[in-house]
Amino acid sequence: DSGVTQTPKHLITATGQRVTLRCSPRSGDLSVYWYQQSLDQGLQFLIQYYNGEERAKGNILERFSAQQFPDLHSELNLSSLELGDSALYFCASSGDSLGDTEAFFGQGTRLTVV
Amino acid sequence: SQKIEQNSEALNIQEGKTATLTCNYTNYSPAYLQWYRQDPGRGPVFLLLIRENEKEKRKERLKVTFDTTLKQSLFHITASQPADSATYLCALDRNNDMRFGAGTRLTVKP
Repeated sequence: DSGVTQTPKHLITATGQRVTLRCSPRSGDLSVYWYQQSLDQGLQFLIQYYNGEERAKGNILERFSAQQFPDLHSELNLSSLELGDSALYFCASSGDSLGDTEAFFGQGTRLTVV
Repeated sequence: SQKIEQNSEALNIQEGKTATLTCNYTNYSPAYLQWYRQDPGRGPVFLLLIRENEKEKRKERLKVTFDTTLKQSLFHITASQPADSATYLCALDRNNDMRFGAGTRLTVKP
């Protein structure tokens, strides 16, 4: 168990809809990353938050947004969903007070858009 | 722009041999370089971290080298086993800004 919790594990929704994916980082970790992994593709970096503030942005679509709350959990919002958005979405956390930088990944949310 | 390249999408080797995976990067000065293992449908799992001032790190059958002049890291698995079959990802980190390579899929045949 990595200590990172993602909910839900599976999500099936229709095109045009909006969904919210949730991530609770490992206790003490300040940094949260979101990644998208389509079938047989590598991890595509979407966005990173550090202690509540956006730190870095990758190839995140304008239809997607994220935030990190004061309790450090994070949510990724995906709107106007398209079939191509079907993928595994991973959250990772890192950077506790000891300065460790390895990332701990959740089990992912598998999103299927039909 | 920053680029992380893992040479070869797939690598097939015979059990007992040493697997060597490569990670090259450009336009980046990582403080840390990390290697992760990912099994199908699962989240990546951390394996090793090497700092910019370190040349080599070992852990059991794993060895990582880091050459900041060549901007390259090599990841070795010695005495490979079929259970080592997975996708291996390198990640570069500076100030908690961490980016991953696309990964190399390793298959170890008995």
